[in-house]
Amino acid sequence: SQELEQSPQSLIVQEGKNLTINCTSSKTLYGLYWYKQKYGEGLIFLMMLQKGGEEKSHEKITAKLDEKKQQSSLHITASQPSHAGIYLCGADLNQAGTALIFGKGTTLSVSS
Amino acid sequence: NAGVTQTPKFQVLKTGQSMTLQCAQDMNHNSMYWYRQDPGMGLRLIYYSASEGTTDKGEVPNGYNVSRLNKREFSLRLESAAPSQTSVYFCASRDRGFYSNQPQHFGDGTRLSIL
Repeated sequence: SQELEQSPQSLIVQEGKNLTINCTSSKTLYGLYWYKQKYGEGLIFLMMLQKGGEEKSHEKITAKLDEKKQQSSLHITASQPSHAGIYLCGADLNQAGTALIFGKGTTLSVSS
Repeated sequence: NAGVTQTPKFQVLKTGQSMTLQCAQDMNHNSMYWYRQDPGMGLRLIYYSASEGTTDKGEVPNGYNVSRLNKREFSLRLESAAPSQTSVYFCASRDRGFYSNQPQHFGDGTRLSIL
């Protein structure tokens, strides 16, 4: 959906390097979800952010939701080949949860 | 711990044939969703069911019908398959509440080719 823009579309990084993926909306986000997808497989839930300024981490992945709740970033520290895949952000555009959209995804490749 | 189960995993149809994609979740979630994923288009919502007994159109509902059979099961039917419906179909479920919503859980997908 064009209402949720992800950047970059694709990314190639050297193993051990840090990287950031962004997810931007023109509307207030009532819930922001990050997923990872390996080629040919389903989506695996990574993290959920709901409050402005919220930050969550899991292993080497950190996600933040800005204060205005219109942008989120996903940061990977010291990337590994296992981080390769497609990262998608999804968001609730209303509190009722009846307007859930996804970005088009960011394809990450990690070279060793 | 099955989560969301989709059947079949792969299917090849001829134009004009019909088929039903099945989805079942064992997490007692109230909301269920059907998406299609195409290269460069991301995930697009076909239909969703906010709660048992209700269904609503999403972004791309034309050519599809759905049935929320019970709280666990949500099926997607193609009445007369067209090549444009070649895609990967994902079913998802989640708990949706008045004050907060939970993330969706996805099935492994159905890869559908229509010749």
